[in-house]
Amino acid sequence: NAGVTQTPKFQVLKTGQSMTLQCAQDMNHEYMSWYRQDPGMGLRLIHYSVGAGITDQGEVPNGYNVSRSTTEDFPLRLLSAAPSQTSVYFCASRRTSGRTGELFFGEGSRLTVL
Amino acid sequence: AQSVTQPDIHITVSEGASLELRCNYSYGATPYLFWYVQSPGQGLQLLLKYFSGDTLVQGIKGFEAEFKRSQSSFNLRKPSVHWSDAAEYFCAVGTTGTASKLTFGTGTRLQVTL
Repeated sequence: NAGVTQTPKFQVLKTGQSMTLQCAQDMNHEYMSWYRQDPGMGLRLIHYSVGAGITDQGEVPNGYNVSRSTTEDFPLRLLSAAPSQTSVYFCASRRTSGRTGELFFGEGSRLTVL
Repeated sequence: AQSVTQPDIHITVSEGASLELRCNYSYGATPYLFWYVQSPGQGLQLLLKYFSGDTLVQGIKGFEAEFKRSQSSFNLRKPSVHWSDAAEYFCAVGTTGTASKLTFGTGTRLQVTL
């Protein structure tokens, strides 16, 4: 009963380094998304996808890249990390059929950029 | 575009006391409304949701929320708070459709004193 799995849980990067946050879900959800959580700002949508091969930008997409080659996986790439990207990142998924809206969240990935 | 306001950043209540967390939303049509709870170091867990119908919604852990269209509010309530309810609570608004995105409030941190 895995749900949404994120790796790694913790990561420290130096400015300019690149990395990928992994997200996988086993619920056959069409919709997947990435949020970042910062103190006092709630959760802000970075990118989302409504199915394999389809991605779109959210509220704060700059500095991040995504792709969706399978239904299960939705990795988030930081090509050149900046201190402003220090945050906690959450991956979330949901169905797109029926009464949509309820997101299922992973446990988060805490990223520190020095 | 939709938005959510949680006017209380931090609330402290005594164990056994009643609780009400405020949430106001902005959206042109009938919204989907959610309350999520986040314990420290964890992801977000859905407490309850409103799609349509009865405006008083029951959720898990003894929580309920009331949708008031005239006030654009969706306040969360619990008659008697337990120490384990200490967490951060997020209200969110979503729209219908495949590409529907959830917009979150900035959260209310609940502290419970014994």
